[in-house]
Amino acid sequence: QVQLQQWGEGLLKPSETVSLTCAFYGGSFSGYYWSWIRQPPGKGLEWIGEISQSGSTNYNPSLKSRVTISIDTSKNHYSLKLTSVTAADTAVYYCANNYHWGFGPWGQGTLVTVSS
Amino acid sequence: QSALTQPASVSGSPGQSITISCTGTNSDVGGYNFVSWYQQHPDKAPKLIIYEVNNRPSGVSNRFSGSKSGNTASLTISGLQAEDEADYYCSSYSSSTTLYVFGSGTKVTVL
Repeated sequence: QVQLQQWGEGLLKPSETVSLTCAFYGGSFSGYYWSWIRQPPGKGLEWIGEISQSGSTNYNPSLKSRVTISIDTSKNHYSLKLTSVTAADTAVYYCANNYHWGFGPWGQGTLVTVSS
Repeated sequence: QSALTQPASVSGSPGQSITISCTGTNSDVGGYNFVSWYQQHPDKAPKLIIYEVNNRPSGVSNRFSGSKSGNTASLTISGLQAEDEADYYCSSYSSSTTLYVFGSGTKVTVL
């Protein structure tokens, strides 16, 4: 059974870069896409982007200029970088396995707070 | 503002059935059978409970069922239980601005 575990810096200052990594266990990268999704405190979910095993990416146009998702299949990791953050980027960030045009399972989530 | 519209809250008594709607457009819900539903308990990660409109992942209770008509998808919870009290989100593949869109979320309260 696939499980995802994520980590990264949780407190950032404005203009800094969010850097998160997600590792998966119990499965294979093969044939799947892997996503990042975020949820501002008390609000709904927003899809950030996805990456395939081969490194093909798709991003939410609203974040595309600031987002990079990369993958390291040798380590079963994939990563998110979001540059030039502001308070509006404060959210819980989740990694998730794309599954039949949905998302599951999910990582445990990382609260990223942007504050000066 | 979320791309898909859900009611803010739905409530029901134990044992009852409730239905949550998720309304989109021809570019997402109405155009593809790629609607999924998620259950999220407080301070927990969302959990996939329905994919491709009406399919349940292994281990998900058959009390959860999904359907779609036109631009509106629905999640029905039958035999409501206290543990069903949570937030529920819909999602759909989209051919418009972004590949995947989410609903605004519905808080389910078990009375």
